[in-house]
Amino acid sequence: GAVVSQHPSWVICKSGTSVKIECRSLDFQATTMFWYRQFPKQSLMLMATSNEGSKATYEQGVEKDKFLINHASLTLSTLTVTSAHPEDSSFYICSATDTDYNEQFFGPGTRLTVL
Amino acid sequence: DQQVKQNSPSLSVQEGRISILNCDYTNSMFDYFLWYKKYPAEGPTFLISISSIKDKNEDGRFTVFLNKSAKHLSLHIVPSQPGDSAVYFCAASASRGGSNYKLTFGKGTLLTVNP
Repeated sequence: GAVVSQHPSWVICKSGTSVKIECRSLDFQATTMFWYRQFPKQSLMLMATSNEGSKATYEQGVEKDKFLINHASLTLSTLTVTSAHPEDSSFYICSATDTDYNEQFFGPGTRLTVL
Repeated sequence: DQQVKQNSPSLSVQEGRISILNCDYTNSMFDYFLWYKKYPAEGPTFLISISSIKDKNEDGRFTVFLNKSAKHLSLHIVPSQPGDSAVYFCAASASRGGSNYKLTFGKGTLLTVNP
């Protein structure tokens, strides 16, 4: 149980385009989902926390208008990187949790490469 | 400002021996600590956790020790197996419980267990 999936697993796009990444909890309802970003040999950095039906809470330094997060249902959250630039190239990981759990369950991640 | 620090980027251990991974933190508000294992291009997998009210938690080959006064925790793996080779992340939370807690990660330690 407690499986989280992400789609796509990798994506290559041109600079200036927008990319949407989906995060789904497959066998539980996730009241809260988190989005992280990891640069090579760096830690996972929390970008934002989203609760179903509410606006996401962004961490300091993360641009809300650039990284659009939608958590419209208890099993799906999306991260849209708008007007992507090469410096946005990174590994994006989501996690999901619920009040029944004491931990976050992580998705497999999405590798974004912006040319 | 790195609130969770893993000062050893890598560790190499012989199969059957003990692996000790260390983690230090600076935020006194952290009250829950977790260790995650991560393979390349995959999301982190939860290993073991410890609450600040304890100083030791054991689960099979994995034991986590917490020294609150020193703000230090360690993960012991014994005996180490080649399949344990991965990056290990230490994470901390300041608001354990419920579904709305943020994790702060260290940069990770690459463990290599040699046959």
